[in-house]
Amino acid sequence: QLQLQESGPGLVKPSETLSLTCSVSGDSISSRTYFWGWVRQPPGKGLEWIGNIFYDGSTYYNPSLRGRATISVGTSKKQFSLRLSSMTAADTAVYYCARVRRFSDYFDYWGQGTLATVSS
Amino acid sequence: QSALTQPPSASGSPGQSVTISCTGTSSDVGGYDYVSWYQQHPGKAPKLMIYEVSKRPSGVPDRFSGSKSGSTASLTVSGLQAEDEADYYCSSYAGSNSYVFGTGTKVTVL
Repeated sequence: QLQLQESGPGLVKPSETLSLTCSVSGDSISSRTYFWGWVRQPPGKGLEWIGNIFYDGSTYYNPSLRGRATISVGTSKKQFSLRLSSMTAADTAVYYCARVRRFSDYFDYWGQGTLATVSS
Repeated sequence: QSALTQPPSASGSPGQSVTISCTGTSSDVGGYDYVSWYQQHPGKAPKLMIYEVSKRPSGVPDRFSGSKSGSTASLTVSGLQAEDEADYYCSSYAGSNSYVFGTGTKVTVL
């Protein structure tokens, strides 16, 4: 059974960079059938797609983030990461990692989410 | 890339049906049959309920159904049960390997 688990600091200072990791068990990021992505949800608000990565390192991002997001795959192919720079209070959210089925384009497995709060 | 528009709330009594709309544009909902729906209970991760407009993953009750007309997709929950009370989000492929979510609808079982 596929499981995704986010990890990272819960508190980030304004203007600093958020770094999160998603650990994957039960599948490999090397699969050509899926993207691996990040979605966030500010407290009390809706879901926002951040971006996806393919096993070959190809990345796709939400234009609204204006180049602040970087997604990468770990060398073990069992982890992928998100870096979000120039954090502000508006970036306070629960961050989810998820698997995305290519060519059907749905998010079929999700991590439990991790809250990242921006505060000095 | 603007969020898809959903009504903020919907409600129904147990056993009744509720339908949630999800309105986009020709660049997302209207352009692709890749609309999916997610159920989210408080404090939990979203759960896939419908994909490719109207397909149900294994384990999702057939009380949940989806459809699409033009740039508006819909999710219908028939035979409402107490456990269906949750937030529901639509999502659509938006071209160039990008995705957009809906604004979310809170479903209340009266």
